[in-house]
Amino acid sequence: QLQLQESGPGLVKPSETLSLTCTVSGGSISTSSYYWGWIRQPPGKGLEWIGSISYSGSTYYNPSLKSRVTIFVATSKNQFSLRLSSVTAADTAVYYCARPYSGFDSTFDFWGQGTLVTVSS
Amino acid sequence: SSELTQDPAVSVALGQTVRITCQGDGLRSYYASWYQQKPGQAPLLVIYGKNNRPSGIPDRFSGSNSGNTASLTITGAQAEDEADYYCNSRDDSGNHVVFGGGTKLTVL
Repeated sequence: QLQLQESGPGLVKPSETLSLTCTVSGGSISTSSYYWGWIRQPPGKGLEWIGSISYSGSTYYNPSLKSRVTIFVATSKNQFSLRLSSVTAADTAVYYCARPYSGFDSTFDFWGQGTLVTVSS
Repeated sequence: SSELTQDPAVSVALGQTVRITCQGDGLRSYYASWYQQKPGQAPLLVIYGKNNRPSGIPDRFSGSNSGNTASLTITGAQAEDEADYYCNSRDDSGNHVVFGGGTKLTVL
């Protein structure tokens, strides 16, 4: 059974860079054309897609976050990672990694449990 | 347009049928997917494509599409169906994923 697990600091200072990693187990990140995704959810609010990446490094980003987001993949570690720069309190959220049903797809059928990142000094 | 619009809250009597809708221009080109989210949990995919249910999702959940509107129907709502429901799809360009604002379903 495919599993995804987010990891990274739970507290980031304003203006600094948020860094998270998603580790995939139960399957290889590079054996298909999936575009692995990052999605976030501020406390008490809705879901927001951040971006997606293929095993070859091709990316799609949310236009509203594109200037601050970098997503990259480490196939040897079966991981993909998120960096969000110049964070503010508005970036406080539960961050999820997820696998789409196929290719670059909006249907995400496997999700990590999520990790809360708080932006605060 | 890149927005998907959902009603913020809907209620249904136990055992009755409820429809949750999602509107957006992108839905004219792309199917919506639907997710159920309970407090403290990750979203769970319940409907995708034309009207497909992942393994383990009860058949009381169904989906439909018409023009720029996608609908999630729960036929015979159960107490455990009380949750937030989100639709998502691609935007007009097809290059971005968008989520609706979510609908809080209360089972009375």
